[in-house]
Amino acid sequence: KQEVTQIPAALSVPEGENLVLNCSFTDSAIYNLQWFRQDPGKGLTSLLLIQSSQREQTSGRLNASLDKSSGRSTLYIAASQPGDSATYLCAVQNAGNMLTFGGGTRLMVKP
Amino acid sequence: GAVVSQHPSWVICKSGTSVKIECRSLDFQATTMFWYRQFPKQSLMLMATSNEGSKATYEQGVEKDKFLINHASLTLSTLTVTSAHPEDSSFYICSASPIRQGVSWEQFFGPGTRLTVL
Repeated sequence: KQEVTQIPAALSVPEGENLVLNCSFTDSAIYNLQWFRQDPGKGLTSLLLIQSSQREQTSGRLNASLDKSSGRSTLYIAASQPGDSATYLCAVQNAGNMLTFGGGTRLMVKP
Repeated sequence: GAVVSQHPSWVICKSGTSVKIECRSLDFQATTMFWYRQFPKQSLMLMATSNEGSKATYEQGVEKDKFLINHASLTLSTLTVTSAHPEDSSFYICSASPIRQGVSWEQFFGPGTRLTVL
């Protein structure tokens, strides 16, 4: 059974810092890995999706990498802003179109 | 495009009553819809997978007689929490996977429904 772990569980940083959020998974037979953002009491916003054959994806200040063989992904946030404060969820997709989510990293960026 | 709605966005009910939550894909047809549950400060846990016109597949530990899922059309799935109890209070999120040739992995998420059982 796939298990996804995110470290750290919570992070508080001053504005402007570059951040790295970590995600690890136990079963490397994945189709893709996604990073989502969730604001309190809200649904999910997809940030980046990396197919299993890809190594990284970039969108603006966000960069996600994938090392499938070692079961790891990182989300890099450059020049963090208070508006980046949210919970970031990592999810991997295995056979059957099923997503397994990590526990999330709650990020607070202080002005 | 690819918008998924949920109704209601929040609901408060008394213990013992039943609550129905709707999930709609507004601008696409969905072969499969998923229902997730999220407890406070925890991640999303898949409850069940539903395909239009067939019975839902429930994850281990999820009571199918308590959480009734009906996927009546390619744009609508409903989750009914029967005889709700306070421990069923949670954030319920659905997602929908569109019918696209050659692409089977996409899921688009609804905004969630906050259920509080008194």
